[in-house]
Amino acid sequence: EAQVTQNPRYLITVTGKKLTVTCSQNMNHEYMSWYRQDPGLGLRQIYYSMNVEVTDKGDVPEGYKVSRKEKRNFPLILESPSPNQTSLYFCASSSLGGSYEQYFGPGTRLTVT
Amino acid sequence: EDQVTQSPEALRLQEGESSSLNCSYTVSGLRGLFWYRQDPGKGPEFLFTLYSAGEEKEKERLKATLTKKESFLHITAPKPEDSATYLCAVQGSWGKLQFGAGTQVVVTP
Repeated sequence: EAQVTQNPRYLITVTGKKLTVTCSQNMNHEYMSWYRQDPGLGLRQIYYSMNVEVTDKGDVPEGYKVSRKEKRNFPLILESPSPNQTSLYFCASSSLGGSYEQYFGPGTRLTVT
Repeated sequence: EDQVTQSPEALRLQEGESSSLNCSYTVSGLRGLFWYRQDPGKGPEFLFTLYSAGEEKEKERLKATLTKKESFLHITAPKPEDSATYLCAVQGSWGKLQFGAGTQVVVTP
């Protein structure tokens, strides 16, 4: 089954404790992206990647890091989380050919206390 | 800078009462305009891609249309299961996907 998986699905952590949210897709997609979703603000792009070793900032990259060492994986790293990073995070992927529609993961709900 | 504005923010419909959602956009070099459906606590689910003005796509009770400045999502004779937040997004020449804030649709029996 074609899918995007994220782990963990729920995470409660404390300020400053480094964490990684993993994202993996099995569709051989070139494009992968991370979003955060907050009430009233909609989906905002954090980082995206057009291919292996190619990453670029989205609208809200501060406080986040990403890497794309393999085509299928695109982890999101919060090196020193703060309470304002409490949010619902989505990973997505798409092909760069064809219709560009993005397939989204199930989401990771992160709470930073 | 790419911008997407959706209206209305919320829409309450009676079952069978057709309506339209609007998505106004500005983008440099449109690669595609996308419509997604999102249920609470879940990831957005892809509905349509539109590439050029005049294009239309249909799926069950939903029909999406595109002009040079806006897109409409028409919901014909909605049912309660059509209740969701509908998101519009544009992808410009740089590859970045810009989402609107969404329209929350509630369909009552």
